[in-house]
Amino acid sequence: SAVISQKPSRDICQRGTSLTIQCQVDSQVTMMFWYRQQPGQSLTLIATANQGSEATYESGFVIDKFPISRPNLTFSTLTVSNMSPEDSSIYLCSVVSVSYEQYFGPGTRLTVT
Amino acid sequence: SQELEQSPQSLIVQEGKNLTINCTSSKTLYGLYWYKQKYGEGLIFLMMLQKGGEEKSHEKITAKLDEKKQQSSLHITASQPSHAGIYLCGADRGSGGSNYKLTFGKGTLLTVNP
Repeated sequence: SAVISQKPSRDICQRGTSLTIQCQVDSQVTMMFWYRQQPGQSLTLIATANQGSEATYESGFVIDKFPISRPNLTFSTLTVSNMSPEDSSIYLCSVVSVSYEQYFGPGTRLTVT
Repeated sequence: SQELEQSPQSLIVQEGKNLTINCTSSKTLYGLYWYKQKYGEGLIFLMMLQKGGEEKSHEKITAKLDEKKQQSSLHITASQPSHAGIYLCGADRGSGGSNYKLTFGKGTLLTVNP
């Protein structure tokens, strides 16, 4: 298994500002993803965080809005830029373990006012 | 695109009862994951199934992937209040192989009354 931590666990932000979320894993992993869970909805994949190269975004998500960094195999950040109330969600990172199981972090609950 | 339908959407059972949650895919499943989520929290990994006919168990929870690999079921035996939460199935989007990008069902809300 993998132990994943996220910071912050929650935040309340004003519209127009940006928030950077951190994801730290206790071991090196090749694959890391970012998901969003809007209120009352299921999870939606935002992007694949690629180590040493630009993230791969899913349809409907763009780099300008959700820039992602992955400087090494244990750490990634997701920034939610120029926030609006529609960005209020839980943001989760996930990793694929060496046994191909996928584990999720505890999530970051974001509220935009 | 792949769609996952979970049933039932919600379930209320008395402690000690057995229950089953189903997850049906519009496409062949090459990897099916089951998670449990407490309200507003992260996902707890339960099981991963990849092979048709595969069955895995952990404590009182058993998950199966049918032979045709388009449906999975999660069965809880002798439910306890600690089993309460939202159960989510997630399917690997890969066609012909895994790419680890998951599409999720809408979840099943389980309430266990003592």
